[in-house]
Amino acid sequence: NAGVTQTPKFQVLKTGQSMTLQCAQDMNHNSMYWYRQDPGMGLRLIYYSASEGTTDKGEVPNGYNVSRLNKREFSLRLESAAPSQTSVYFCASSAEVGTGGYTFGSGTRLTVV
Amino acid sequence: QKEVEQDPGPLSVPEGAIVSLNCTYSNSAFQYFMWYRQYSRKGPELLMYTYSSGNKEDGRFTAQVDKSSKYISLFIRDSQPSDSATYLCAIYSGYSTLTFGKGTMLLVSP
Repeated sequence: NAGVTQTPKFQVLKTGQSMTLQCAQDMNHNSMYWYRQDPGMGLRLIYYSASEGTTDKGEVPNGYNVSRLNKREFSLRLESAAPSQTSVYFCASSAEVGTGGYTFGSGTRLTVV
Repeated sequence: QKEVEQDPGPLSVPEGAIVSLNCTYSNSAFQYFMWYRQYSRKGPELLMYTYSSGNKEDGRFTAQVDKSSKYISLFIRDSQPSDSATYLCAIYSGYSTLTFGKGTMLLVSP
């Protein structure tokens, strides 16, 4: 049972480049989330999807877009990467939105130069 | 005022010590209280989950909630070097997504 799988694990981008972070869960969860984690800032919610077909903005959505491709997959896209988007990105899922049992992926370490 | 406040640490203790980790929150609508543990370069993992005031035990871990003071604690008995990690409190009102504290780094030395 893999849980939440994120790809890639590491990525270096040049300013202005675009990329998509992939996330897939195999727990039949309805809700999925994208967080970024920066030193001293904690986990900050970027976007979430309460259920298949819906997406909502979180605390820090600017510069990002998301797609809930199906129940299993939730991708995060950076259209024009900026150094301020250097961070560790975590995808998570839960049975329903906000229920406490979030399962997190192992993260993507992104550096924008 | 931040919704959830947590001392960032680091908190350094010797092996075998009792550890107390704490969070305060401001929104009285919060009903569900969680602790996540995050090892270095890993994703957070759920450690404890409670929705009522009082204590909940799981092995060496005890989660304590005081809703009247808006204060939650995690106690670790007989701490081990393997407990060295960042501990994040997370709180939920029942109507939206989780609100996380920034985490407290714990270092347990042998």
